[in-house]
Amino acid sequence: LAKTTQPISMDSYEGQEVNITCSHNNIATNDYITWYQQFPSQGPRFIIQGYKTKVTNEVASLFIPADRKSSTLSLPRVSLSDTAVYYCLVGDNAGNNRKLIWGLGTSLAVNP
Amino acid sequence: DARVTQTPRHKVTEMGQEVTMRCQPILGHNTVFWYRQTMMQGLELLAYFRNRAPLDDSGMPKDRFSAEMPDATLATLKIQPSEPRDSAVYFCASGLVYPGGRGTDTQYFGPGTRLTVL
Repeated sequence: LAKTTQPISMDSYEGQEVNITCSHNNIATNDYITWYQQFPSQGPRFIIQGYKTKVTNEVASLFIPADRKSSTLSLPRVSLSDTAVYYCLVGDNAGNNRKLIWGLGTSLAVNP
Repeated sequence: DARVTQTPRHKVTEMGQEVTMRCQPILGHNTVFWYRQTMMQGLELLAYFRNRAPLDDSGMPKDRFSAEMPDATLATLKIQPSEPRDSAVYFCASGLVYPGGRGTDTQYFGPGTRLTVL
């Protein structure tokens, strides 16, 4: 069964770059690795997803090494509004059933 | 701006009562997910459906929980009988996955139902 590990919490300051890494093994070979952001009292919201190498959109970058055993979400120049919980999501490489494995979340606090 | 809707937004009930939560996925989405979130356990996937058929419900306690999709526009999660340990926020999410597509394709979450069982 696939398993994910991410740091429980991180602290940063406004304007800094923040990198959050999720370790994952036994993931499905043809599934995306996806990251979500969650604010209090809201449902998670999609940030970015990728299959391998590097993906960049208007809010973040995602780095995935060739072995796909980890992924790193990079938030450039964070602001106070980036304070949230960040989750990685992977698919389990377990036969026909599409088992989805969520990380436990990394609580990011951005300080002024 | 299409959104997933969930009703009710809040529910307070007494132990032993039946609870039904409803979700309207985004029109055209073929995959619906049910999650439970608590401070202690974090975000737990209970079950999910594709084209109204259950794909994985291994995260759901089968003795008291049931999930169904009567039609493509409605998903329900029922707890009978409810217990205090069921108190949590229940999220529904929907997504569009093409045949042979990736299970981790983008999910769009609803606002959640906050359930309190006394």
